[in-house]
Amino acid sequence: GESVGLHLPTLSVQEGDNSIINCAYSNSASDYFIWYKQESGKGPQFIIDIRSNMDKRQGQRVTVLLNKTVKHLSLQIAATQPGDSAVYFCADAGGTSYGKLTFGQGTILTVHP
Amino acid sequence: DAEITQSPRHKITETGRQVTLACHQTWNHNNMFWYRQDLGHGLRLIHYSYGVQDTNKGEVSDGYSVSRSNTEDLPLTLESAASSQTSVYFCASSDSDTQYFGPGTRLTVL
Repeated sequence: GESVGLHLPTLSVQEGDNSIINCAYSNSASDYFIWYKQESGKGPQFIIDIRSNMDKRQGQRVTVLLNKTVKHLSLQIAATQPGDSAVYFCADAGGTSYGKLTFGQGTILTVHP
Repeated sequence: DAEITQSPRHKITETGRQVTLACHQTWNHNNMFWYRQDLGHGLRLIHYSYGVQDTNKGEVSDGYSVSRSNTEDLPLTLESAASSQTSVYFCASSDSDTQYFGPGTRLTVL
């Protein structure tokens, strides 16, 4: 079945370091991928997205990389700050599942001052 | 600014009672979704709607219902609340693939 999963459930980094959060997906028909950030007590917040016709997309301090060959995407956060501490979810959409997202379990990122 | 709101933010109810959670968006999005979030399960889709009068079941729809009488609102009803429905509920809306989430409702069923 379709699934989106994460390799690491937790990640601890020092302030100023770069963070990399990984995600694997299984649906080869997926053509759209999103990263969300969820802070404690809040709803998921859109960070960045990428379509399958791209390998890389950059935002403010964040970069998403997509490797369609191995069905893997990653979220890179540059110069991680304590405010980046949250749970990060990847999600995918595409194929016959118009508008519907399949979410991974989430990675807890903790940034130590 | 356009937004998506949920009410109430917290609710405690008893087993067997009917409960309705509200979701309201001002983006004029056609698509709306309800999820529940539990430890160990991530976000799971309950019901979704692609427009007025359209509703569809998600992966965990048993015990829940929705109705879509206008573009802005998608209320979620628990017909007879069960302790297994204690969870955090999130509503989301979209006009394409990107979904935008509300702040959530924490529901406790005693």
